[in-house]
Amino acid sequence: AQTVTQSQPEMSVQEAETVTLSCTYDTSESDYYLFWYKQPPSRQMILVIRQEAYKQQNATENRFSVNFQKAAKSFSLKISDSQLGDAAMYFCASESYGQNFVFGPGTRLSVLP
Amino acid sequence: NAGVTQTPKFQVLKTGQSMTLQCAQDMNHNSMYWYRQDPGMGLRLIYYSASEGTTDKGEVPNGYNVSRLNKREFSLRLESAAPSQTSVYFCASSTRTGTGNTIYFGEGSWLTVV
Repeated sequence: AQTVTQSQPEMSVQEAETVTLSCTYDTSESDYYLFWYKQPPSRQMILVIRQEAYKQQNATENRFSVNFQKAAKSFSLKISDSQLGDAAMYFCASESYGQNFVFGPGTRLSVLP
Repeated sequence: NAGVTQTPKFQVLKTGQSMTLQCAQDMNHNSMYWYRQDPGMGLRLIYYSASEGTTDKGEVPNGYNVSRLNKREFSLRLESAAPSQTSVYFCASSTRTGTGNTIYFGEGSWLTVV
């Protein structure tokens, strides 16, 4: 069974600074996908970024990028130039064929002005 | 773009009452899901439907039933609501393409059972 762990229940970052959220996963599948979702106070789940495990290149979406370390089963999210609107819960998730999506417990990110 | 639409957004029930949460997606996705999210916790899968005509239990199915009415619609029913079912409920959908699978969520339904 797949598992996803987020070891940081809460993080904070100063506005305009960079912060990295950690995620580790465990899967026996060779083909899988990894995701970061953002959940602001509105509770809407918003896809931030996704990574195909077969791709070595780290995914990037504007100020959001990942550090995908396949051997270490690590998938961290880096947020650059943090903005007040980045304050949210962030969930790491994994998925593979024949398996349901598995979500981590989340990291609450606060952005300090 | 509507995406995943769920209704109602807010509902207060008395213990023992029944209700149905409705969900519809317009993305032609094969798979649909119902999750619940409790304070300070992540998402827990209640039921899912991998394709039209099939439903399966997730992590926390007790006290719930589902119906995959057609490819677009997937409803969640609470037959006899209990205070422990106070939660935020999310419907979601996904479909596998050549580039993999991504799950999309509705805006959530806030349910309070008193």
